[in-house]
Amino acid sequence: AQKITQTQPGMFVQEKEAVTLDCTYDTSDQSYGLFWYKQPSSGEMIFLIYQGSYDEQNATEGRYSLNFQKARKSANLVISASQLGDSAMYFCAMREGPRSGGSNYKLTFGKGTLLTVNP
Amino acid sequence: DTAVSQTPKYLVTQMGNDKSIKCEQNLGHDTMYWYKQDSKKFLKIMFSYNNKELIINETVPNRFSPKSPDKAHLNLHINSLELGDSAVYFCASSSHWGTGINEQYFGPGTRLTVT
Repeated sequence: AQKITQTQPGMFVQEKEAVTLDCTYDTSDQSYGLFWYKQPSSGEMIFLIYQGSYDEQNATEGRYSLNFQKARKSANLVISASQLGDSAMYFCAMREGPRSGGSNYKLTFGKGTLLTVNP
Repeated sequence: DTAVSQTPKYLVTQMGNDKSIKCEQNLGHDTMYWYKQDSKKFLKIMFSYNNKELIINETVPNRFSPKSPDKAHLNLHINSLELGDSAVYFCASSSHWGTGINEQYFGPGTRLTVT
């Protein structure tokens, strides 16, 4: 089973509108972390936002917020007031652990969502 | 100053050749990683080193050999290159587990093309 599922291969949004990118995850660990990364067409991976499994409040970073629903195992990224520069691939990732085998040292990524912001 | 740097940025080579990709981080992190991003943009961990010690080897062919001469460097050597090795290879680093959120900082990537 996939550990990270991003069901939207592509999304379109109008400039200045909000958009939600979906992410569901699968883990039996109690302690884990969820990350969102942005990859623009230039190729670099940019860290956006983090949510820990024990964090009671949803994470926010500027225009980015994470809608964390633990019981549903979802960690959706919300981008408010979209800008043209937000057009990029967005990856959800999970770090499990700690546990033996070093799993806490790796990120498992979803397949990504390509967001296009239209003017 | 670049936090995580990789050289070269582009690498074009023929099947059967041996090549290396170098990675350096100046963030003072203990942990470094190699990821492979395939043509469909899927990112998968290959290796992870913590304080120069290999802690993750994700069923990567033994033609791939990472080497960490010190905490700030993690190189990737690939022997007998195959067409399927064509991909973008990302180096990343993070602080030690348990210190902060351990977000991983990625290098710019090395696009390897095997012909």
